[in-house]
Amino acid sequence: SQQGEEDPQALSIQEGENATMNCSYKTSINNLQWYRQNSGRGLVHLILIRSNEREKHSGRLRVTLDTSKKSSSLLITASRAADTASYFCATDGNQGGKLIFGQGTELSVKP
Amino acid sequence: SQTIHQWPATLVQPVGSPLSLECTVEGTSNPNLYWYRQAAGRGLQLLFYSVGIGQISSEVPQNLSASRPQDRQFILSSKKLLLSDSGFYLCAWTGSSQETQYFGPGTRLLVL
Repeated sequence: SQQGEEDPQALSIQEGENATMNCSYKTSINNLQWYRQNSGRGLVHLILIRSNEREKHSGRLRVTLDTSKKSSSLLITASRAADTASYFCATDGNQGGKLIFGQGTELSVKP
Repeated sequence: SQTIHQWPATLVQPVGSPLSLECTVEGTSNPNLYWYRQAAGRGLQLLFYSVGIGQISSEVPQNLSASRPQDRQFILSSKKLLLSDSGFYLCAWTGSSQETQYFGPGTRLLVL
């Protein structure tokens, strides 16, 4: 069964606005990761948050994790046109190195 | 630094033809290796993973197979392609921490 589910499926914003994407999962995890994929390219790791962490920052990225609700959010502040991409959450689900990816959120940032 | 290569970048094959996609990793040893398929506009489906030479785990029953003849080489194969095999195939590796996965550029396969 699908572990990670992103919401919304698609998001369109203006440059300079903030973008928030959400991810829900079903089973216990050791960590949750967010990846970015530009159209037709491989995925690039953005940030990893462990199950005992509640919030993590990396540049313009802010990730939160609520293990009681089995959910995470990715906030991109002051978005740029170059942030246009699909964003995926992935959980390990205690599966020893295997990740389960959600369906992704397609973000479009208009200049 | 570590790099991961996939080839070919794109491939158009007729139904019933064989397939061989290759993935190689440089700059690391004994990586875990993964093959994913991504349908258009969808998430990633894990097809195979390998923790060592000759060790392959299959995640879903399908028309594909995988092999790991060398430590840093992972091959995805099929004897007879189906239309449903079309998609974007991604190879990835992890190091000893088995946490962050690093992806190759992908191979776009179109079966006609």
